[in-house]
Amino acid sequence: DSGVTQTPKHLITATGQRVTLRCSPRSGDLSVYWYQQSLDQGLQFLIQYYNGEERAKGNILERFSAQQFPDLHSELNLSSLELGDSALYFCASSVGGGTSGSNEQFFGPGTRLTVL
Amino acid sequence: AQTVTQSQPEMSVQEAETVTLSCTYDTSESDYYLFWYKQPPSRQMILVIRQEAYKQQNATENRFSVNFQKAAKSFSLKISDSQLGDAAMYFCAYRTLIYTGANSKLTFGKGITLSVRP
Repeated sequence: DSGVTQTPKHLITATGQRVTLRCSPRSGDLSVYWYQQSLDQGLQFLIQYYNGEERAKGNILERFSAQQFPDLHSELNLSSLELGDSALYFCASSVGGGTSGSNEQFFGPGTRLTVL
Repeated sequence: AQTVTQSQPEMSVQEAETVTLSCTYDTSESDYYLFWYKQPPSRQMILVIRQEAYKQQNATENRFSVNFQKAAKSFSLKISDSQLGDAAMYFCAYRTLIYTGANSKLTFGKGITLSVRP
């Protein structure tokens, strides 16, 4: 158990819908990262938040957005869902996220999103 | 941009034998971190081992060790005395050492599926 929690574990929805994925980082971790794992694209970085602020952006679609709340949990919002958005979405957390150091990222169990 | 390549999609090993998983990467940076992550059927991403590029010594963690060849940009994972529980997908990943903004991410290879024969 990494200490990172994600809910829900599974999510099945229809095209055009909107969903919210939730992540709680390990106690004391200030950074939250979101990754998408799909058969086509592999594991891709989406976005990072550090202590409530967006720190880095990767291959995140405009239909997707995220935020980190004062209690440091994070939500990833996916809207106007398409079949191709079906994937495993991981959240990871690390202590830092500032400038340097190993800042090992600990991964949550993932949320499996299926868009029908 | 950094890239990570795992060219072998699948490998198989006999229980108790040794197997080596290959990974190459491309970067213009001189300092960085390399990682191997394990993803068993449970889907959980588990950190197996980490290597700092500025360290000459290859990292080891129990039955897991790496062969880090910086000049060749090669980072292979050796699993000794393979066990049934080692069966999983293994991902090689890269992260820059000093990061601000967009390069704080992990860049992953496509992964390799390792099966262990009893």
